[in-house]
Amino acid sequence: ETGVTQTPRHLVMGMTNKKSLKCEQHLGHNAMYWYKQSAKKPLELMFVYSLEERVENNSVPSRFSPECPNSSHLFLHLHTLQPEDSALYLCASSQTGYGYTFGSGTRLTVV
Amino acid sequence: GESVGLHLPTLSVQEGDNSIINCAYSNSASDYFIWYKQESGKGPQFIIDIRSNMDKRQGQRVTVLLNKTVKHLSLQIAATQPGDSAVYFCAETRSNDYKLSFGAGTTVTVRA
Repeated sequence: ETGVTQTPRHLVMGMTNKKSLKCEQHLGHNAMYWYKQSAKKPLELMFVYSLEERVENNSVPSRFSPECPNSSHLFLHLHTLQPEDSALYLCASSQTGYGYTFGSGTRLTVV
Repeated sequence: GESVGLHLPTLSVQEGDNSIINCAYSNSASDYFIWYKQESGKGPQFIIDIRSNMDKRQGQRVTVLLNKTVKHLSLQIAATQPGDSAVYFCAETRSNDYKLSFGAGTTVTVRA
């Protein structure tokens, strides 16, 4: 188990559903990230939170809504997703100047 | 051992041979570099890192080499094992930054 925990591990949702992905880190890191990983594509940065403030939003559709209530928790709220949103969603945390620690990811399937 | 030149998306290696995975980075201001391994169904895991004041760093069965002149990074895996089959990513950043830039990844397949 890594220092970053993601739940659920797998999620199947309909296009009209609302669901949330959760990420938790107890490493004392000051930044947290959401990445999307699709088959045969590089990691796509979605959102960055530094010291609980969103510092980057990489042109992500509004059907993805992040939330960072404190330095240890990060959520990704999902609503009215499309089948092309099916992917592995990875959460990571880091301390400035050091590498990321990744979670195991949530495998999302939109039907 | 087997090697690739500049980045190739796949590498097939005979078990027991040495592997070399290459990565070209783009930002000359980057001073911190990391290799990650991602096995099927899992998130990327840290393997080894190196800062720009070093040319070489060794871990357990892995060595990272940094050539700042040509902005090239490589990962050497000694005596490759079946458990080394995975996708390997290089990443770069600056020490005062929080954001990593990732390479495209190399899929390593170990042949028995």
